[in-house]
Amino acid sequence: DIVMTQTPLSLSVTPGQPASISCKSSQSLLHSDGKTFLYWYLQKPGQPPQLLIYEVSNRFSGVPDRFSGSGSGTDFTLKISRVEAEDVGIYYCMQSIQLPRTFGQGTKVEIK
Amino acid sequence: EVQLVESGGGLVQPGGSLRLSCAASGFTFSSHWMSWVRQAPGKGLEWVGNIKQDGSEKYYVDSVKGRFTISRDNAKNSLYLQMNSLRAEDTAVYYCTRDSSSLFDYWGQGTLVTVSS
Repeated sequence: DIVMTQTPLSLSVTPGQPASISCKSSQSLLHSDGKTFLYWYLQKPGQPPQLLIYEVSNRFSGVPDRFSGSGSGTDFTLKISRVEAEDVGIYYCMQSIQLPRTFGQGTKVEIK
Repeated sequence: EVQLVESGGGLVQPGGSLRLSCAASGFTFSSHWMSWVRQAPGKGLEWVGNIKQDGSEKYYVDSVKGRFTISRDNAKNSLYLQMNSLRAEDTAVYYCTRDSSSLFDYWGQGTLVTVSS
């Protein structure tokens, strides 16, 4: 199985400041079709996860442009340019190049 | 509006069985793969398995193979998860998700399954 490793596991951010989360996969997520099967989800308190970013850097419908994703191969990053109070929750990366789909451990983002 | 509503969770003894349901609306159910994802209390997310549009292909995580079965009824816009030989480690919130081109774009609110004597 592909292991997804996120760092840090927790983050405390002052509103308006940037935040960055790293995700590393144990195998390349680049498919022969040119797509990279790396996704980011946010689980707000008491809610199901919601899709933020698909295929490394594409924001899902309705996701604010302060969220951005980057990376390639096995190393990926989610950045929040200016953290807002509504961004609190647990962020997960996920791979779907291979079954079983696997998630990172999650990064808890809190507001200072 | 896409909606996924899970039901059927509850308390069950170890070794017991439970069937979860997911009612889908707001999209053409029969055109999409569907997945189940679970989350143990205070833990991260674990993909359980998925099923193709016509039910002809199903895949599972190793920890549930032989015990869990995913099925669907496209006429009823419903997804199911039959769970047998339940263990304490199966205790989790189970989410139904729409599986669109390898991503989970919509999730239900989840249903809690507790395996305990």
